[in-house]
Amino acid sequence: GQQVMQIPQYQHVQEGEDFTTYCNSSTTLSNIQWYKQRPGGHPVFLIQLVKSGEVKKQKRLTFQFGEAKKNSSLHITATQTTDVGTYFCAGLATGNQFYFGTGTSLTVIP
Amino acid sequence: DTGVSQDPRHKITKRGQNVTFRCDPISEHNRLYWYRQTLGQGPEFLTYFQNEAQLEKSRLLSDRFSAERPKGSFSTLEIQRTEQGDSAMYLCASSGTGGPSPLHFGNGTRLTVT
Repeated sequence: GQQVMQIPQYQHVQEGEDFTTYCNSSTTLSNIQWYKQRPGGHPVFLIQLVKSGEVKKQKRLTFQFGEAKKNSSLHITATQTTDVGTYFCAGLATGNQFYFGTGTSLTVIP
Repeated sequence: DTGVSQDPRHKITKRGQNVTFRCDPISEHNRLYWYRQTLGQGPEFLTYFQNEAQLEKSRLLSDRFSAERPKGSFSTLEIQRTEQGDSAMYLCASSGTGGPSPLHFGNGTRLTVT
């Protein structure tokens, strides 16, 4: 079955440093979504990528979809304490079943 | 607030008991999903409804699990003969019509089986 892996599993950064999480799928995806889950909270939608090679930006966050549509990345520039949480990618291959990645837990040290 | 609502927030039950959870999606959303999440893991897909039709069901979902969405609005997830391995956060999400759209999650129901 489809698997979506994320690395790293954990990341600790000093406030102001950059952060990147990578998402890799065993199958080609039709689209990919990214979510953020704060400690004790539920996943909150950040963005959706559909096109091969697509890059989208939201303020300090940059999202990329790979050319082969099997991988994606999220990069945060100059992290802030408000960025703390777990970031999940969720890939859609066929149908309407989104497969969530294993997540990257980000800790920002003030 | 018209977000996704789940009830109860917490449920503690003894092994072997049946439990039922409820999800009220965003009113204009016709798609409804159930996911299960354990500590340190991503949400794991359980089942999906479009209106009242259950269109997809995870192979991981044993026959002790059943979900309904009788009128295409709220949904229930029932677990029969609970086991300790069923302890998890059960998340409901809804999304709108058209192509793949964002999932709006509820706050979840945390199940503890003792």
